[in-house]
Amino acid sequence: GQQVMQIPQYQHVQEGEDFTTYCNSSTTLSNIQWYKQRPGGHPVFLIQLVKSGEVKKQKRLTFQFGEAKKNSSLHITATQTTDVGTYFCARWTNAGKSTFGDGTTLTVKP
Amino acid sequence: KAGVTQTPRYLIKTRGQQVTLSCSPISGHRSVSWYQQTPGQGLQFLFEYFSETQRNKGNFPGRFSGRQFSNSRSEMNVSTLELGDSALYLCASSRGDTNTGELFFGEGSRLTVL
Repeated sequence: GQQVMQIPQYQHVQEGEDFTTYCNSSTTLSNIQWYKQRPGGHPVFLIQLVKSGEVKKQKRLTFQFGEAKKNSSLHITATQTTDVGTYFCARWTNAGKSTFGDGTTLTVKP
Repeated sequence: KAGVTQTPRYLIKTRGQQVTLSCSPISGHRSVSWYQQTPGQGLQFLFEYFSETQRNKGNFPGRFSGRQFSNSRSEMNVSTLELGDSALYLCASSRGDTNTGELFFGEGSRLTVL
């Protein structure tokens, strides 16, 4: 199927440590999206990557799209307690369907 | 501008009943997608409507249905409720007609089936 697999499922870090979540697909992706869902909240769009090898930064967050467009990563530098939540990657088709990974749940110990 | 609005936010039903959930998208958005979120299954795509037509459908039984009105508001219905239907149902809107697939999610409707 056209699934995207995310690892790890859970990640617990000490505040100030870095965090990375990975998203992998067996097929070439036309794009990859990242969303964040805070505990008790709803997913919020972070970014969309479309180009091979693309790297985008948002403050302490760095998003990468693999050269083969089959994988992506989200890296957070020096985590803060506000980074707590579940991070989802999703593939989107122009037919209006998004397929989400199972997410990586990040907890941060102050 | 106003975000995506879902009603009701919480509801409790019993097995065998049916439920209707409503979603009002962001003004100007013509695409509305529905997702079921459960702790064990993550975000599962139900269906997507664009300009009153179902454009995509996920792998859910026929008990799950939806529709979209001319003002882009959407409803989803679940008939003959089962315990396993207990979940957070999320609606997301997008412009739907560009290559930018950013989804704007509502707060969700949390359904509990007893």
